Formats: sequence, C-alpha cells, structure tokens
Amino acid sequence: DAGVIQSPRHEVTEMGQEVTLRCKPISGHDYLFWYRQTMMRGLELLIYFNNNVPIDDSGMPEDRFSAKMPNASFSTLKIQPSEPRDSAVYFCASAYPSTDTQYFGPGTRLTVL
Amino acid sequence: DQQVKQNSPSLSVQEGRISILNCDYTNSMFDYFLWYKKYPAEGPTFLISISSIKDKNEDGRFTVFLNKSAKHLSLHIVPSQPGDSAVYFCAASVTGGFKTIFGAGTRLFVKA
Repeated sequence: DAGVIQSPRHEVTEMGQEVTLRCKPISGHDYLFWYRQTMMRGLELLIYFNNNVPIDDSGMPEDRFSAKMPNASFSTLKIQPSEPRDSAVYFCASAYPSTDTQYFGPGTRLTVL
Repeated sequence: DQQVKQNSPSLSVQEGRISILNCDYTNSMFDYFLWYKKYPAEGPTFLISISSIKDKNEDGRFTVFLNKSAKHLSLHIVPSQPGDSAVYFCAASVTGGFKTIFGAGTRLFVKA
C-alpha cells in the first residue's frame, strides 16, 4: 500500500496567488482529514470528510480556504488568495470507519512570500 | 481554546533513561486518547492509544497512563533510544466522532 499521497511536497508562491494542495487517501478509507501544522498552534484540524461529504469544516480559518472531495480517491485544499500567514505544513490523513487511528501523508510545506 | 495541551515544547533525555511526555485535556467528553510520533519531513504516525475505560496501556517500550480525574495522560518510553528523537503529539477524541484534537507537540531529544 502506497499510503496517503500528497502533492506537491513543497510549494512556494507569492501573496495573492491561488494555491491548490492535493491528496490521495488510502484505498478503502472512508474518512479524509486536512490539518495544518504551525509552530504556534501545533496540528490543527481544518476539515474532514466522510464518504466524500464534508462533515465538519469549523477549523477552516477563512473563506479564502476551501476543500473538495469529488471522489473517494482524491481531495483538494485550495487557498485563494494566499497570504504570508498561510505559510505552514499542510497534512492530509485518512482513516477506516471502524477505527480512530489516522494515517497521515508526508505533508505539503507551503511558503507564501 | 486549546482542548489538548502539551505544556513542554521540548524534552532532552539520556539514552537508556526514561522519557516522560505529558498531556492535559479540558473536554470531559473525550474518551479516546492517542499518541503520534513525527519525524522531520514525514507525517505523524500512530504510536499508541488508550480508551477511557483503562488507566494504562503498554506496547513494548511505550506505556500510556491515563488519569481521568486529573484529565491528564502521559507517555513513558523505557529505555529511551536515539531513534526515539522526534516530535510527539498527544491527541483526543470522542469514540466514533472522528474529530481528533491534537496538542501542539513535544520535541524529544534522546542523547547517545
């Protein structure tokens, strides 16, 4: 099993640009999570999906952030427009429905200049 | 409002000694607790968990203790090894709820 796949691994962009982060969960996992890691706030849950449906997006910081899951094998997190304070590592994770253990991808390090 | 708190940003321990990482939570609804380990440039990986019906869970060198009345849990690593050097995240959830709340992490350094 390839595990959770995220792309790109690194993204450097300028303020005001649109950024799209991508995630492929582990096959068979019904839950998908997006997290953001910063030095100040640690690991924050942004949004999670169950069977491709967003369940809780209360962690999404602003309307500039949006996430979609068009099918069971793909999800995107989009930031438009990006700001320097969005610089962080963004993780995607997936899980089986019968367990609370999540499997994380390697993360995308986003730098907004 | 941080519902899961890891008050020690870092911890340094000598190889072979015990490492104790602490975690406090505020939400009494949490009934399932997990520890994740994270190496640089990798995602967190699950390490060990404990349900609120237990007060201790052991897996090899790793033991998690839960004190529900104090809303406190700790991870003990005995003996500590240099390969244990990583960031450790404490996490909590309500069983079946899937919304897992993570602490800010504690960076463990194990010196050879």
